[in-house]
Amino acid sequence: GENVEQHPSTLSVQEGDSAVIKCTYSDSASNYFPWYKQELGKRPQLIIDIRSNVGEKKDQRIAVTLNKTAKHFSLHITETQPEDSAVYFCAARNAGKSTFGDGTTLTVKP
Amino acid sequence: DADVTQTPRNRITKTGKRIMLECSQTKGHDRMYWYRQDPGLGLRLIYYSFDVKDINKGEISDGYSVSRQAQAKFSLSLESAIPNQTALYFCATGEERTNTGELFFGEGSRLTVL
Repeated sequence: GENVEQHPSTLSVQEGDSAVIKCTYSDSASNYFPWYKQELGKRPQLIIDIRSNVGEKKDQRIAVTLNKTAKHFSLHITETQPEDSAVYFCAARNAGKSTFGDGTTLTVKP
Repeated sequence: DADVTQTPRNRITKTGKRIMLECSQTKGHDRMYWYRQDPGLGLRLIYYSFDVKDINKGEISDGYSVSRQAQAKFSLSLESAIPNQTALYFCATGEERTNTGELFFGEGSRLTVL
């Protein structure tokens, strides 16, 4: 089955800096790669996603890149703000099932 | 607003007891999932269902069972709870019709097994 590895497990940045979270996946049949944000005590919610036929996608301060050959994808957050502090999960989806990474706890220090 | 609702939100039980976590949705989605969240281990898939008559095991189905009573309802049961099933459980929904893979999560059910 699919295996998704996510790094780093914790990330601390100063407000205004950029943050990058990286994931690798194992199943070349996976075709959809979402990123979810989970604030403390809340449910995970989708913040951005990318399909296997696209190399990069951007939405304001967040962007995702995908390298299908290397089977890795990354989340980039620019101009970080304290409200970006949360746990971020990557996932890889194949045949209707999503396999998640272990999560990255991002702390943005004011 | 269309939503995914889980009950109970919190439950404390004892080893050996039978527990049922319920999930209902008003999103009209055909696919429903149960995930378990443990600190540092992400979200792991327990069971999933693409339709009322379709039930599939996920990566950690041992010790769990599910029932899809209707398109909108998907229940997770622990026949005989054990302490290492203490976790936060999320129900999620999704649909294939629009070719989007986004999952919509419920608010979670926190289960403690003593």
